[in-house]
Amino acid sequence: GENVEQHPSTLSVQEGDSAVIKCTYSDSASNYFPWYKQELGKGPQLIIDIRSNVGEKKDQRIAVTLNKTAKHFSLHITETQPEDSAVYFCAASEGGSYIPTFGRGTSLIVHP
Amino acid sequence: DSGVTQTPKHLITATGQRVTLRCSPRSGDLSVYWYQQSLDQGLQFLIQYYNGEERAKGNILERFSAQQFPDLHSELNLSSLELGDSALYFCASSGSGRAQETQYFGPGTRLLVL
Repeated sequence: GENVEQHPSTLSVQEGDSAVIKCTYSDSASNYFPWYKQELGKGPQLIIDIRSNVGEKKDQRIAVTLNKTAKHFSLHITETQPEDSAVYFCAASEGGSYIPTFGRGTSLIVHP
Repeated sequence: DSGVTQTPKHLITATGQRVTLRCSPRSGDLSVYWYQQSLDQGLQFLIQYYNGEERAKGNILERFSAQQFPDLHSELNLSSLELGDSALYFCASSGSGRAQETQYFGPGTRLLVL
């Protein structure tokens, strides 16, 4: 089955800095990569996703890049704000799967 | 607010007991997913239902069972509880349950087994 590794487990940045979270996956058949943000006391919420037919996708201050050859993908957050503080999860799934495999999560702390 | 509701928010019980967690999906969503989140295992998929029928099964223990009712709400039953079952249990829903469809998560039920 699929295995998703996520790093770092904790990331501390100053407000206004950029943050990068990296994930690797094992199944070369995986072709869908969603990212979730989980705030304290809430369930995970989808913030951006990317499919294997594109290498990069942006949504305002958030971007995701995908390197299929190396089997890794990354989340980039620019101009971080305190409200970006949360746990971020990457996930991967292959075409026929209804269920993504999640990484272990990265706790992002943005200091004012 | 995702539109998915879960009750109760917190549950404290003893080992060997049985509990039922309830989930109401977003209006119009036909598919429901159950996940377990613990510190050492991360977010683990348990089971998916689509319009009342089981569609996919993950790492769900035999002591656990679920069902989806005609009004599309779902219940997760956990029996013979052990200390290691303490975790956050999330329900998610999606429209048609097709592969790689966006899932919308509820706020979760925090279960503590003493």
